Amino acid sequence: DAGVIQSPRHEVTEMGQEVTLRCKPISGHNSLFWYRQTMMRGLELLIYFNNNVPIDDSGMPEDRFSAKMPNASFSTLKIQPSEPRDSAVYFCASSLPDRGVEKLFFGSGTQLSVL
Amino acid sequence: QKEVEQDPGPLSVPEGAIVSLNCTYSNSAFQYFMWYRQYSRKGPELLMYTYSSGNKEDGRFTAQVDKSSKYISLFIRDSQPSDSATYLCAMVTGSNYKLTFGKGTLLTVNP
Repeated sequence: DAGVIQSPRHEVTEMGQEVTLRCKPISGHNSLFWYRQTMMRGLELLIYFNNNVPIDDSGMPEDRFSAKMPNASFSTLKIQPSEPRDSAVYFCASSLPDRGVEKLFFGSGTQLSVL
Repeated sequence: QKEVEQDPGPLSVPEGAIVSLNCTYSNSAFQYFMWYRQYSRKGPELLMYTYSSGNKEDGRFTAQVDKSSKYISLFIRDSQPSDSATYLCAMVTGSNYKLTFGKGTLLTVNP
């Protein structure tokens, strides 16, 4: 299995532009997570999907952020409009519960820079 | 007080040294404890996973949980340059999806 695949690996954009990050989870995993990582705040959970349904989006910073999972093999995280403070590494992770606990498998991340 | 505290380091050791990485936590409801390893420009990968107190060993790695002190440790024996990475602790209450991560400790093992 190729693992969790994210694209693009790097994204540089200007303030105000729309940014779309993409994720292909591991086949058979029914949970998908979007995380953001910064030096100041570490890893923060943005949104959690189970069986393609958003279960917890309480970590989404504001209405500029939205996420979708149209099917079991694809998810997007969109930022519109983007701001410099959105600059971070965004990770997608998928998992299959093991005795009630999610063991996360992370993608390699998207390094986002908003100028 | 933050739920999970982890010394960010950096920690630099010579090859072959025993490394001790630690986290403290405040939420007594945490039941599952994990260690993730993150290489530069990569996503975290699950290294070890323990439930409840005690020790768990996997090759050169030993995870230790002391629930009474709310303290967890990861020991690396005979450390190798390939162990150079950031190590993140993570913990979760039972049957929950929401991991709480430490900020990570940057480890460098010098040949």
